[in-house]
Amino acid sequence: KQEVTQIPAALSVPEGENLVLNCSFTDSAIYNLQWFRQDPGKGLTSLLLIQSSQREQTSGRLNASLDKSSGRSTLYIAASQPGDSATYLCAHMNRDDKIIFGKGTRLHILP
Amino acid sequence: DAGVTQSPTHLIKTRGQQVTLRCSPKSGHDTVSWYQQALGQGPQFIFQYYEEEERQRGNFPDRFSGHQFPNYSSELNVNALLLGDSALYLCASSRTGGQPQHFGDGTRLSIL
Repeated sequence: KQEVTQIPAALSVPEGENLVLNCSFTDSAIYNLQWFRQDPGKGLTSLLLIQSSQREQTSGRLNASLDKSSGRSTLYIAASQPGDSATYLCAHMNRDDKIIFGKGTRLHILP
Repeated sequence: DAGVTQSPTHLIKTRGQQVTLRCSPKSGHDTVSWYQQALGQGPQFIFQYYEEEERQRGNFPDRFSGHQFPNYSSELNVNALLLGDSALYLCASSRTGGQPQHFGDGTRLSIL
């Protein structure tokens, strides 16, 4: 069974700190891995997508890494801001275009 | 360029009723996938449509069915609604072949 696990389930950090969200997956034959942001009651916003042949992607204060051999990905957020408060979901796609999601990490940035 | 649009945004039904949710994909996309997201959980894959056919399906009962039209838009139908069907239903569209999926804002379905 394909599974995606995200640790921690919830995280509160003071504004300005750097933080790391963790994701592990069991399927070694992933096509890509994606990090999404979800605000309460809203849909998903794609943050970063890493193809299986890549090791990392960066966008502004966000950096995502991928280690297929160990089945792990991390999302690094630099200089956190209150507006970063949201749920962050990790997901991977297989070659059938099916996405498997983790349960997410609820992030709260304290002003 | 409009992204993925879903309708309605909110819906309230009672147990035993039937519901139809609609999704219009992003321009240029030919594949539509549906996901169910219960409160506090990650989205769960329901099924995917490509060329008007169901291409693959997740672990959902036959009460969940769908359709894709020639213009690539899609419907999700749920029969004999249960309390446990209360969730946010997300539609995602993409070009086939492992391309990134773009998500709509979802339909919030509440079953009383």
